[in-house]
Amino acid sequence: NAGVTQTPKFRILKIGQSMTLQCTQDMNHNYMYWYRQDPGMGLKLIYYSVGAGITDKGEVPNGYNVSRSTTEDFPLRLELAAPSQTSVYFCASSYGGLAGDHEQYFGPGTRLTVT
Amino acid sequence: LAKTTQPISMDSYEGQEVNITCSHNNIATNDYITWYQQFPSQGPRFIIQGYKTKVTNEVASLFIPADRKSSTLSLPRVSLSDTAVYYCLVVGNAGNMLTFGGGTRLMVKP
Repeated sequence: NAGVTQTPKFRILKIGQSMTLQCTQDMNHNYMYWYRQDPGMGLKLIYYSVGAGITDKGEVPNGYNVSRSTTEDFPLRLELAAPSQTSVYFCASSYGGLAGDHEQYFGPGTRLTVT
Repeated sequence: LAKTTQPISMDSYEGQEVNITCSHNNIATNDYITWYQQFPSQGPRFIIQGYKTKVTNEVASLFIPADRKSSTLSLPRVSLSDTAVYYCLVVGNAGNMLTFGGGTRLMVKP
């Protein structure tokens, strides 16, 4: 199993550009999450999904959009990039829910700089 | 969103036991408590999960009092490689969860 994979690893965007961060998991997990982590800080939840076709906002959703058309994929879309979105983005997945298994598996992260 | 509170940093020496406590006063009945370890430039890695009382695995123990408003991660006999940031995270069955707190930076010295 590859686990959770994220692409790209690094990206530099100009203000106002858009991009999609890709996340794929091969563990058949129901739950998937997107976090951002600013330097020296903890992780903040952007969006999460409890299954294909279902998404919900986390703590810091403004400026982002997600979709979950398959169990495996959970892309994060940045529209009109702003310098405040400079951060490291982590995708994670877990079985979650009634299984009571909340171990989250994290991807390696995408380091995004907006200038 | 409710918050978790942890000490910002802790120092220890190799071979000692380290206890890191997290406060989560707003924990709900169906929430679980999880702990993660993070090294620089890497994603967090799961350590342990618990609901109540004590849970032990091959790397750590988790102590949860009856009121569940706090939890303590115990790392036995730490080594230099345990130097990292440790986060507690309270998770609900519906996928809703509390924000990761700022974490505790553990420095293990020789």
